[in-house]
Amino acid sequence: AQSVTQLGSHVSVSEGALVLLRCNYSSSVPPYLFWYVQYPNQGLQLLLKYTTGATLVKGINGFEAEFKKSETSFHLTKPSAHMSDAAEYFCAVSDGLRGGSQGNLIFGKGTKLSVKP
Amino acid sequence: KAGVTQTPRYLIKTRGQQVTLSCSPISGHRSVSWYQQTPGQGLQFLFEYFSETQRNKGNFPGRFSGRQFSNSRSEMNVSTLELGDSALYLCASSGQGSTDTQYFGPGTRLTVL
Repeated sequence: AQSVTQLGSHVSVSEGALVLLRCNYSSSVPPYLFWYVQYPNQGLQLLLKYTTGATLVKGINGFEAEFKKSETSFHLTKPSAHMSDAAEYFCAVSDGLRGGSQGNLIFGKGTKLSVKP
Repeated sequence: KAGVTQTPRYLIKTRGQQVTLSCSPISGHRSVSWYQQTPGQGLQFLFEYFSETQRNKGNFPGRFSGRQFSNSRSEMNVSTLELGDSALYLCASSGQGSTDTQYFGPGTRLTVL
């Protein structure tokens, strides 16, 4: 069965500092990996995704993530935090219907990012 | 292109009642998935519909059901509401199915009193 672990339910950084949000996954087949962001009282917005190919994935708003198969990780980074980055971030995994399984998204518990001025 | 729309945005019901939530996917998308989000359990998959057929189902009781119409619009129904059904219900649509990126609507906030 697939699963996602996000280390740290709350992360606080200063404006301009590096943002690092950690995600580890478990999957029996090559995974599709996603990062979504959720602002208060809103739905989920896709930041970036990895399916196949280049392991360093660039997304919107300056975010990027690197797929490391050996570490089963897909950590999200941004070189310089902005106040507008304050939100909750979710890592998700899907097997994309391979291996006869379901293909629905399995989410981590989320990480709330606070950005201090 | 218009995004995923969900109606209503907010609902208040009492225990024992039933409720129907609606989701209109992005034009051209044939797959609609539903998720429940609560502070305790996080985001959990309810079910997915593709071309009017339920393709996948999560681990929820039979009180939770859904359907999809020929225009890909989807509804989910919860019968005999319980306090624990209070949650944000999110709908997501994708093109060819779950292998494609899922785009989420703003959600329906259901409160059960």
